[in-house]
Amino acid sequence: RKEVEQDPGPFNVPEGATVAFNCTYSNSASQSFFWYRQDCRKEPKLLMSVYSSGNEDGRFTAQLNRASQYISLLIRDSKLSDSATYLCVVTYTGNQFYFGTGTSLTVIP
Amino acid sequence: DAGITQSPRHKVTETGTPVTLRCHQTENHRYMYWYRQDPGHGLRLIHYSYGVKDTDKGEVSDGYSVSRSKTEDFLLTLESATSSQTSVYFCAISAFGTSGHHYFGPGTRLTVT
Repeated sequence: RKEVEQDPGPFNVPEGATVAFNCTYSNSASQSFFWYRQDCRKEPKLLMSVYSSGNEDGRFTAQLNRASQYISLLIRDSKLSDSATYLCVVTYTGNQFYFGTGTSLTVIP
Repeated sequence: DAGITQSPRHKVTETGTPVTLRCHQTENHRYMYWYRQDPGHGLRLIHYSYGVKDTDKGEVSDGYSVSRSKTEDFLLTLESATSSQTSVYFCAISAFGTSGHHYFGPGTRLTVT
């Protein structure tokens, strides 16, 4: 079983739509959580950290549910520029980083 | 953007040859990582370093070795390249290990024929 599981999509949504991605993790002894964005043939870049109380950055909202062992990313008012692959990351002590395989999003005009 | 570069950016090599990839940072971060990214697998950790001369294995370390003789450089060596090592290799740096996030380099596309 993979440490981190993501729905690969693809998600194809119209501009202005709200879209949500989930990511589940298998080990409850997790330390930190992040969402990254990766454009085609580019390196991943940090989108946002995920905090226990949930956090928001503009149109993006990240949430953590430790009891059910998942994190989520909500994108409101989708823009064409949001088209990318979104990766979730879970870390554990001992320098263990586990990346999801990514969820592909295409925002359609 | 964080100061992290990788070289070469693209390489084609033959099965059985040794290959060394270089990661260079100008951020003075303590932690450095090598990942490979393959379709269906996502990013998988090969090796990491938590200081000069301090390295450890990751999830997929077989067939790879690393060295870090200076804070700014982290080398990944494929001792005898195989076709299964065809991949995109990303270096990453972090100031705080697992409590912090990564900054990634631009990647190296390696093809083993």
